[in-house]
Amino acid sequence: EAGVAQSPRYKIIEKRQSVAFWCNPISGHATLYWYQQILGQGPKLLIQFQNNGVVDDSQLPKDRFSAERLKGVDSTLKIQPAKLEDSAVYLCASSSTDSSSPLHFGNGTRLTVT
Amino acid sequence: DAKTTQPNSMESNEEEPVHLPCNHSTISGTDYIHWYRQLPSQGPEYVIHGLTSNVNNRMASLAIAEDRKSSTLILHRATLRDAAVYYCILRDLISGYSTLTFGKGTMLLVSP
Repeated sequence: EAGVAQSPRYKIIEKRQSVAFWCNPISGHATLYWYQQILGQGPKLLIQFQNNGVVDDSQLPKDRFSAERLKGVDSTLKIQPAKLEDSAVYLCASSSTDSSSPLHFGNGTRLTVT
Repeated sequence: DAKTTQPNSMESNEEEPVHLPCNHSTISGTDYIHWYRQLPSQGPEYVIHGLTSNVNNRMASLAIAEDRKSSTLILHRATLRDAAVYYCILRDLISGYSTLTFGKGTMLLVSP
């Protein structure tokens, strides 16, 4: 099966600019996750979708971050305006509705904010 | 989420077995023990998971202590491609929308 697709692979922007990341999950996976991974740390959950509804966005900085999952398939994560501390790898993952099924991760988008 | 404790790093030689420990003294009865690994410049990938009994798959084995307060991921013959950060994660599968909460994991270094 095709894996989780993410684009772009790399992005460099200046602070206060905006940026968007795209994720295409594995076909049929109802649950989609966005994680932020800062260098040297484990991934941190930003938001979790079940189909096109938000399940958990408690750690999403809502003043600058937004995410949507239209039609319950692809998802977009946006940062506006970006700060230096947003420099990180943004990982998308998906899983089936079976709560015991593993998460499948994409290779992420590496964001550098200068 | 209950927390886990892992060593920051471990070293191994190629083709030798590797035992990666994980302590989870506050584990609850509904927590499954999951292991993921992350190779350089890649997203995490699922390795194995278990509840009470030891588990084996093509990638590794998981040994779970009888009191479930600790577990060990076993790579039977390490290869250079096994060099990665290994995460031990507790996941409550009773709640409806269970996610993964990552710690810092153990960085495994494999020497030829």
